[in-house]
Amino acid sequence: KQEVTQIPAALSVPEGENLVLNCSFTDSAIYNLQWFRQDPGKGLTSLLLIQSSQREQTSGRLNASLDKSSGRSTLYIAASQPGDSATYLCAVRLFRDQFYFGTGTSLTVIP
Amino acid sequence: EAQVTQNPRYLITVTGKKLTVTCSQNMNHEYMSWYRQDPGLGLRQIYYSMNVEVTDKGDVPEGYKVSRKEKRNFPLILESPSPNQTSLYFCASSLSPLGSGSRNQPQHFGDGTRLSIL
Repeated sequence: KQEVTQIPAALSVPEGENLVLNCSFTDSAIYNLQWFRQDPGKGLTSLLLIQSSQREQTSGRLNASLDKSSGRSTLYIAASQPGDSATYLCAVRLFRDQFYFGTGTSLTVIP
Repeated sequence: EAQVTQNPRYLITVTGKKLTVTCSQNMNHEYMSWYRQDPGLGLRQIYYSMNVEVTDKGDVPEGYKVSRKEKRNFPLILESPSPNQTSLYFCASSLSPLGSGSRNQPQHFGDGTRLSIL
């Protein structure tokens, strides 16, 4: 069974810092990996999706990388802002169309 | 506005009283899915549907039913709710036409339904 782990569970940084969130998965037979943001009381917002054949995706200050063979993905956030405070989740999609999520990293950016 | 709409947003009910949580999307998406989110366990997939009349079990389907009679709707049914089904539930959808190989589309989520079963 696929297991997805996110480290750290919580992170607090001062505004302006660059930071890295980690996601690891046990079964490398994935179709893609997606990073989401979840704000309190809200649903999930898709940030980046990396196909299994890709190494990275970028959107603005966000960059996600994927190393399928080692079962790892990272989400890099440049020049963090207080508005980036949220929980960040990664999810893998398997070939049989099931999804597995990590438990998330709760990020606080201090002004 | 493109969205996934869940109803109700909050519900407190009692053990054994059948309930339905509705989910509707206006994006003409083929793929729809239900998740539950619990502290320390993250989101776990309950059921998913690749298209009308096609449904499959996710990781935690016990105690739940779904149906997909129309493309836009994917209701979650709890026939006899129990306290261990108290959770935050999310519905999601994505564009994923069968046979096209197009599974690389992001999921769009509803705002969630907080269910408490006493």
